[in-house]
Amino acid sequence: DIQMTQSPSSLSASVGDRVTITCRASQSIATSLNWYQQKPGQAPKFLVHDASTLQTGVPSRFSGSGSGTDFTLTITSLQPDDSATYYCQQSYSTPLTFGGGTKVEI
Amino acid sequence: QVQLQESGPGLVIPSQTLSLTCTVSGGSISSADYYWGWIRQPPGKGLEWIGDISFSGNTYYNPSLNSRVAVSMDMSKNQFSLSLKSVTAADTAVYYCARSPFTHYYHRSGRTSRRTNYLDYWGQGTLVAVSS
Repeated sequence: DIQMTQSPSSLSASVGDRVTITCRASQSIATSLNWYQQKPGQAPKFLVHDASTLQTGVPSRFSGSGSGTDFTLTITSLQPDDSATYYCQQSYSTPLTFGGGTKVEI
Repeated sequence: QVQLQESGPGLVIPSQTLSLTCTVSGGSISSADYYWGWIRQPPGKGLEWIGDISFSGNTYYNPSLNSRVAVSMDMSKNQFSLSLKSVTAADTAVYYCARSPFTHYYHRSGRTSRRTNYLDYWGQGTLVAVSS
């Protein structure tokens, strides 16, 4: 299985800050990396696929980058609604695997 | 817009079988454009992919659960289901159903479909506790 490691596990930031979350794969996965946002009591929401393509309707303050083993999700100008846990997920091979999550507090 | 809704017992006795159903509305599970899967999340923990099924009935399972899990579909009801045998307390989790798209490539000899392996629509989730 491909192991996904996220850092940090949690962070606290202020409205308007730029936030970066890192995800590392245990082997090269090209750009087969996706990001999800999960708020308490809710299902994950699909944000980014193929490392950098925003899903329709996702605000442009979110962006993804990376390839190979190292990836980042960046939120420019953090908003109160962005308070959530963010998960990366590799789509390179089954079994699909997720990172442990990064909790963003505002 | 497609919607998914999980249903099933909220409590399962240890060693018994966990059975859940996902009802899809706003889209057909018989479409060749999508496949349908299950993911779970133990309380306070991360996400674990369980497995999925395509319109043609092809299934993929997480090897960690492979011997206990089965995913099936009922096209007449536009539903797909999860069965997990011999459950223990470690199977207590919120169970989500979700949709994944295929990507299609067209060429002179026809069409090739590839799994995208991302999950673009999710159900709201249902908590299943395993306890006697």
